[in-house]
Amino acid sequence: EADIYQTPRYLVIGTGKKITLECSQTMGHDKMYWYQQDPGMELHLIHYSYGVNSTEKGDLSSESTVSRIRTEHFPLTLESARPSHTSQYLCASRGGADTQYFGPGTRLTVL
Amino acid sequence: KNQVEQSPQSLIILEGKNCTLQCNYTVSPFSNLRWYKQDTGRGPVSLTIMTFSENTKSNGRYTATLDADTKQSSLHITASQLSDSASYICVVSDRGSTLGRLYFGRGTQLTVWP
Repeated sequence: EADIYQTPRYLVIGTGKKITLECSQTMGHDKMYWYQQDPGMELHLIHYSYGVNSTEKGDLSSESTVSRIRTEHFPLTLESARPSHTSQYLCASRGGADTQYFGPGTRLTVL
Repeated sequence: KNQVEQSPQSLIILEGKNCTLQCNYTVSPFSNLRWYKQDTGRGPVSLTIMTFSENTKSNGRYTATLDADTKQSSLHITASQLSDSASYICVVSDRGSTLGRLYFGRGTQLTVWP
């Protein structure tokens, strides 16, 4: 079982609220990723990081932002949540064996 | 355009039966192909990873095959169990970038009935 954690697991909030989704891993991986996944659909990369102080936008345009101040921590922030942000957000990290390890995900519902 | 297509979209089988899931891809240049299992409300967990030179790889009751010439892969599940109910996702990695870009299929939703 991979040591990658996400909190909260479920979040229901109102429109306009600022939220931060937490992701942390204890494997010392440099590469970390955020994906967005709607039910029955494929994962879409929204952010990635090669290491501390490195962040890049992924393929799917997202209004969220990320930061990487510490190797083990890769939080995602939405400044003003909207119903269109309702989705599942998956965090992942990548080790030397070229396998991505996924966290359990955060299911976000914006009312 | 790099794509990963999976079939069937959903599948229902009885406990104890075998099944085969399909994955076709157009990703180039190819690096490796992975099958992940994703339980409802959880993150994907890696089952197998196959490189260009590998044709078959097993992980318990899961056996993956790869035909790099036709760009097809299959995941065979033997003697299915109720706990096999999940979404099975085919993921292909390319060699064209330092990121090691991953291309995800939409998954096959497998339901195993008692």
